Amino acid sequence: EDKVVQSPLSLVVHEGDTVTLNCSYEVTNFRSLLWYKQEKKAPTFLFMLTSSGIEKKSGRLSSILDKKELFSILNITATQTGDSAIYLCAVEKGASGTYKYIFGTGTRLKVLA
Amino acid sequence: NAGVTQTPKFQVLKTGQSMTLQCAQDMNHEYMSWYRQDPGMGLRLIHYSVGAGITDQGEVPNGYNVSRSTTEDFPLRLLSAAPSQTSVYFCASSRTRGSPLHFGNGTRLTVT
Repeated sequence: EDKVVQSPLSLVVHEGDTVTLNCSYEVTNFRSLLWYKQEKKAPTFLFMLTSSGIEKKSGRLSSILDKKELFSILNITATQTGDSAIYLCAVEKGASGTYKYIFGTGTRLKVLA
Repeated sequence: NAGVTQTPKFQVLKTGQSMTLQCAQDMNHEYMSWYRQDPGMGLRLIHYSVGAGITDQGEVPNGYNVSRSTTEDFPLRLLSAAPSQTSVYFCASSRTRGSPLHFGNGTRLTVT
């Protein structure tokens, strides 16, 4: 059975702290790993990772994938209150002809002023 | 550019009633999907489609039907609502394999 597991489930930090969110996966026919941020409504796309060891960066956020150990991390440096959200990890899987996206349970991050 | 549009935003049903949640996208995306989100459970895949006329079951398909007669629309039908179907439902689409998902704003459904 396919599994996407995120840790920790929740996290409370103070502004300026650095956080690391984890996502491990066990899926057949892995194609890519995606990170999303969810505030009040729809999840918004952050990163898509397909190759091991290549860091993707966007401002204070960065992410990397390890396809040998089957995990990814999302780093947020110098956190701000606006980073408070649920962070979701998803895996795209599928052999030829069909594909789908499976999500983990998410990490709820709260950043205190 | 509307993106992914879900209607309604909120719905209250009585047990046993039926209804259809609507999802439409105007981006010519081949892939469309429905998720439900419950506290502590993340997003769970209900049904998905890789193109018009093609649908498949996800992790939690029981109690839900879908069809994909056009590229743009992917309605989710609840034939006989149960309290266990109380949830927030998201529709999401992607252009093709290897593309990120784009989400609608969700439908909050309560079944009493």
